[in-house]
Amino acid sequence: DAGVIQSPRHEVTEMGQEVTLRCKPISGHDYLFWYRQTMMRGLELLIYFNNNVPIDDSGMPEDRFSAKMPNASFSTLKIQPSEPRDSAVYFCASSLGEGPYEQYFGPGTRLTVT
Amino acid sequence: AQSVAQPEDQVNVAEGNPLTVKCTYSVSGNPYLFWYVQYPNRGLQFLLKYITGDNLVKGSYGFEAEFNKSQTSFHLKKPSALVSDSALYFCAVRGAGGNNRLAFGKGNQVVVIP
Repeated sequence: DAGVIQSPRHEVTEMGQEVTLRCKPISGHDYLFWYRQTMMRGLELLIYFNNNVPIDDSGMPEDRFSAKMPNASFSTLKIQPSEPRDSAVYFCASSLGEGPYEQYFGPGTRLTVT
Repeated sequence: AQSVAQPEDQVNVAEGNPLTVKCTYSVSGNPYLFWYVQYPNRGLQFLLKYITGDNLVKGSYGFEAEFNKSQTSFHLKKPSALVSDSALYFCAVRGAGGNNRLAFGKGNQVVVIP
C-alpha cells in the first residue's frame, strides 16, 4: 500500500488566496483526520471523519477553514481566504474502525502564506 | 477530557547509552497509549501501542515502552541509542471506550550525540 497520500507537498500563496489541500487515505480505512502542526501550538486536530461524515470539527480555527470528504478515497481541506497565520504543516491521517487502531500519517503539506 | 504530558522539551543522550522519553497521561477509563516518531520534514510514524495485557510493549527499531497504571505513565525506552534515533517523539492517548480522537503530547526532541 502506498500509505496516506497528500498533495501538494509544498504550497506558497499570497494572503487572501484560496488554498486547497488534498488527501487520499489508506484503502479500507474508515477514519480520516486533519491536523495542523506549528512550532508555537504543536500538533492540533482540526477535524475528523468517519465513513465520510464529519464527526468533530471543533478544532477548525474559524469559518475560513472547511473540509469535505466526498468519498472514501478523497478529502480536501480548504482555506479561503488564507492569512499568514495559517502558515503551518498540515497532516492527514487515517485509521481503521472503532478499535485500538493506530493512525497512519501522510507526509504533510507545508503551507506558507505571504 | 484526555491529555498527555511530556515534561521534557529535549532529551540529550550519548550514542550507545540508554534512552528514555517520559510520558504521563490522563483519561477516563482504560487507556490506549501510542508512541510516534517524526523525522525532519516527514509525517508521524507509528512506533508502538499499549492496549491491554503485558505492561512492557515492544515496537519498531528496538523501542519499547512500559505502561504503569498507578503512575499513569507510558515511558518510551531504548537500551542503546543510535544517532539515527535523533527525532521528535510524540506520546498519545485515547480512552478505550471513547471515540477515535487521540490526544497528543507536545513532543520531545531527542538528540543522540555521537
